[in-house]
Amino acid sequence: ETGVTQTPRHLVMGMTNKKSLKCEQHLGHNAMYWYKQSAKKPLELMFVYSLEERVENNSVPSRFSPECPNSSHLFLHLHTLQPEDSALYLCASSQDEGGNEQFFGPGTRLTVL
Amino acid sequence: AQSVAQPEDQVNVAEGNPLTVKCTYSVSGNPYLFWYVQYPNRGLQFLLKYITGDNLVKGSYGFEAEFNKSQTSFHLKKPSALVSDSALYFCAVRGSDSGGYQKVTFGTGTKLQVIP
Repeated sequence: ETGVTQTPRHLVMGMTNKKSLKCEQHLGHNAMYWYKQSAKKPLELMFVYSLEERVENNSVPSRFSPECPNSSHLFLHLHTLQPEDSALYLCASSQDEGGNEQFFGPGTRLTVL
Repeated sequence: AQSVAQPEDQVNVAEGNPLTVKCTYSVSGNPYLFWYVQYPNRGLQFLLKYITGDNLVKGSYGFEAEFNKSQTSFHLKKPSALVSDSALYFCAVRGSDSGGYQKVTFGTGTKLQVIP
C-alpha cells in the first residue's frame, strides 16, 4: 500500500445530508491534496495544504469544505451536494508542495442521490 | 497556462511486444514530469519522474520514459508488455518558474490494454 488511507471507501448520500471524508498519511509528508476524479475528465485538483496551511483552492464550490488539523490528517466536509458531485475523491500527500511525487490513497467513491 | 496532452484514449498491445504511451506538455520554465498508473478501484501510483539530468528515466515495473525537450514530449515505454500492465496511465507536469507552490496538471489518462 501507499501509506495513505481513506475512509469511507464508498459513500452514498442524499442532497440534504452532511458527511465527511477522511484521509490519513503515515509517510511524514508535509503536503496533502484533495482531487476529484470523474469519468472521461482530467483529474481535478480541489485543495492543497502545506504544513496545515491551505495553499490552493481551485475554485471549488463552498459545499466542499476542507480541514487539515495536522500534517497527517485531511478531511473533506460535504454539505448539500448535487448529483454531479458523484465521483471518486482521491487524497494524496507529498514530501512538500514542490516537485516531489505524490502518494495517493485508494479513494472514496461518492454517489449523491 | 500549463497543460498535458495524452492523445490516445486507449492503447492495445500484444503481450511481449513493446509498448509506448504518449504524452506531450506545455509549461513555463523547465518541466517536472511524472507518470502514474491507476489499477481498477485504486488510487494513482507513482511510476517515475523527470526533473533534471539524463533524458531517459527508469522507473518501477520495468517502465521508462524519455524526455524530449525539442518535442516537449515525455513518452512512457516498456520493452515487453505484460497482461498485468493493463491499467490507466496518467502523465503529469509541473513548472519550475519560481519557488513555492506550483500546481501539478494531470492528463486525461490513457487506458493500456495488453492482450494475451
